[in-house]
Amino acid sequence: AQSVTQPDIHITVSEGASLELRCNYSYGATPYLFWYVQSPGQGLQLLLKYFSGDTLVQGIKGFEAEFKRSQSSFNLRKPSVHWSDAAEYFCAVQIKAAGNKLTFGGGTRVLVKP
Amino acid sequence: GAVVSQHPSWVICKSGTSVKIECRSLDFQATTMFWYRQFPKQSLMLMATSNEGSKATYEQGVEKDKFLINHASLTLSTLTVTSAHPEDSSFYICSAPLARDGTYEQYFGPGTRLTVT
Repeated sequence: AQSVTQPDIHITVSEGASLELRCNYSYGATPYLFWYVQSPGQGLQLLLKYFSGDTLVQGIKGFEAEFKRSQSSFNLRKPSVHWSDAAEYFCAVQIKAAGNKLTFGGGTRVLVKP
Repeated sequence: GAVVSQHPSWVICKSGTSVKIECRSLDFQATTMFWYRQFPKQSLMLMATSNEGSKATYEQGVEKDKFLINHASLTLSTLTVTSAHPEDSSFYICSAPLARDGTYEQYFGPGTRLTVT
């Protein structure tokens, strides 16, 4: 079965600094890959997704992610974080053959220092 | 577009009672919906797949008789927690898939916080 690992439970970053969130997956083929953000009191919002093509994917809110097949990774980055980026971030994989179900990583909580 | 709502947003019930949570796709149809459970500071765990017109498919370890799922129409799925106990207290989230750009994107409801006293 597929699995998703987000090694960092918490990350604290200063406002204006860069941010990188790690995501590794385990699956025999290339799954569809997603990054979601969950803010308190709000539902999960899709930041970006990858399923084929260019391995560098641009998303909303200034985020981007790079798919690296050799490392089974899909790391999320933002060059300059804003205080509003403080939230929980989830990496997820979707396997079409498994009925398009999502498997989530454990999440990374991002704290932004002023 | 692609909005999913949940009702109620929070509910408190007494141990032994049942509570129903609704998930609606407001502006699109969904033959399939998914129910997740999220404990505090943890990730989302898929509980079951709700299928319109047929039985739900439950993930391993999820009690189907305790978590009753009914996909009544192409825009509504309900999760009923029967004979609730304090350990059922959690954040329940639903999602509905919509085909976009060659794949299915999941649109999530805002969640329902259940507290069983």
